[in-house]
Amino acid sequence: NAGVTQTPKFRILKIGQSMTLQCAQDMNHNYMYWYRQDPGMGLKLIYYSVGAGITDKGEVPNGYNVSRSTTEDFPLRLELAAPSQTSVYFCASNRPGSTEAFFGQGTRLTVV
Amino acid sequence: DAKTTQPPSMDCAEGRAANLPCNHSTISGNEYVYWYRQIHSQGPQYIIHGLKNNETNEMASLIITEDRKSSTLILPHATLRDTAVYYCIVSAPIAAGNKLTFGGGTRVLVKP
Repeated sequence: NAGVTQTPKFRILKIGQSMTLQCAQDMNHNYMYWYRQDPGMGLKLIYYSVGAGITDKGEVPNGYNVSRSTTEDFPLRLELAAPSQTSVYFCASNRPGSTEAFFGQGTRLTVV
Repeated sequence: DAKTTQPPSMDCAEGRAANLPCNHSTISGNEYVYWYRQIHSQGPQYIIHGLKNNETNEMASLIITEDRKSSTLILPHATLRDTAVYYCIVSAPIAAGNKLTFGGGTRVLVKP
């Protein structure tokens, strides 16, 4: 099993550009999450999903959009990138009722 | 979710036990204590969790006080590979998603 796979690993965007961060898991987990981590800080929840077709906002959703058309995939969309979105983005997943979340290796995004 | 307080950093000698404290004085009856760690900006890794009883697995032991207002993560024989940021998280697994709130964590440096 690959676990949680994030692509790309690194990306540089110009201000105002858009992009989609991809996240896929092969563990048939219903719950998926997107976090961002700024330098020296803990992770903050952006969006989460409890199943295909269901998404909800986390702590810092502004400037982002998500969709969940399949159980496996949970892409994060950045529209009109801003320097404040420079961060490392982590995707995670877990089963309902499970206490262990599995994280991807992260996408390091720089907006210049 | 209840808030947690951890020391920002601590050093530990290789081969010795590392005891990581966490205060969670506002914890509710249905909230679990989770520990995750993050090695060098990789995705966080689950270590252990508990509700009220002490727990042990192959990675660590978790000691929760009787009043559940604090806990200690014990790494029994720290190695250089245990150098990481350790996060203590309090959360209640619920049907609508087990969202984890990460604080600043404790930066642990294991020294030879």
